[in-house]
Amino acid sequence: QVQLQESGPGLVKPSQTLSLTCTVSGGSISSGSYYWSWIRQPAGKGLEWIGRIYTSGSTNYNPSLKSRVTISVDTSKNQFSLKLSSVTAADTAVYYCARAVAARPSSPFDYWGQGTLVTVSS
Amino acid sequence: DIQMTQSPSSLSASVGDRVTITCRASQSISSYLNWYQQKPGKAPKLLIYAASSLQSGVPSRFSGSGSGTDFTLTISSLQPEDFATYYCQQSYSTLYSFGQGTKLEIK
Repeated sequence: QVQLQESGPGLVKPSQTLSLTCTVSGGSISSGSYYWSWIRQPAGKGLEWIGRIYTSGSTNYNPSLKSRVTISVDTSKNQFSLKLSSVTAADTAVYYCARAVAARPSSPFDYWGQGTLVTVSS
Repeated sequence: DIQMTQSPSSLSASVGDRVTITCRASQSISSYLNWYQQKPGKAPKLLIYAASSLQSGVPSRFSGSGSGTDFTLTISSLQPEDFATYYCQQSYSTLYSFGQGTKLEIK
């Protein structure tokens, strides 16, 4: 059974860089054809897709965040990571990592981490 | 960008009711539409993918239909554990987007 687990600081100061890691267990991050995504949800609000990295290493980002986002993968640790620079209070949210199977019809997010709250505050 | 609009935003219903939630895309997305259920403090859970395919392990009282721009999620007979928030999501565009959510509450 595949499991995803987010980790990283729960508090980040304004203008700094938010860094989170998603550790994948129960399967290799580099086997098969998967999209590994980051999604966030401000308190009481809806879901916003941040970006994804493919098994090959190619990335796609939400244009609204593209200038500040980097998603990378470390296959040796079975992890992928999110960096979001120049954060403001508007970036305060629960951050989820999720998996989608590229070859599956409509590539739904079939596995999710439990989410981690990141607060941007001085 | 493809905008996803759900209706209603909230809904009150009783156990045993049949409930339908609608999701409309701002342009045609073929059948690239997924539905998720989210309970407070939990990650979303996949219910339906490709508009009408039931995810493994999801009860058959959940069903999805539609293509193009208009989609529906139907719960045939509400159970107590179904009270949650539901989201649609399009994967037609690389810029994935979600609906704003429909909160299903107990009447």
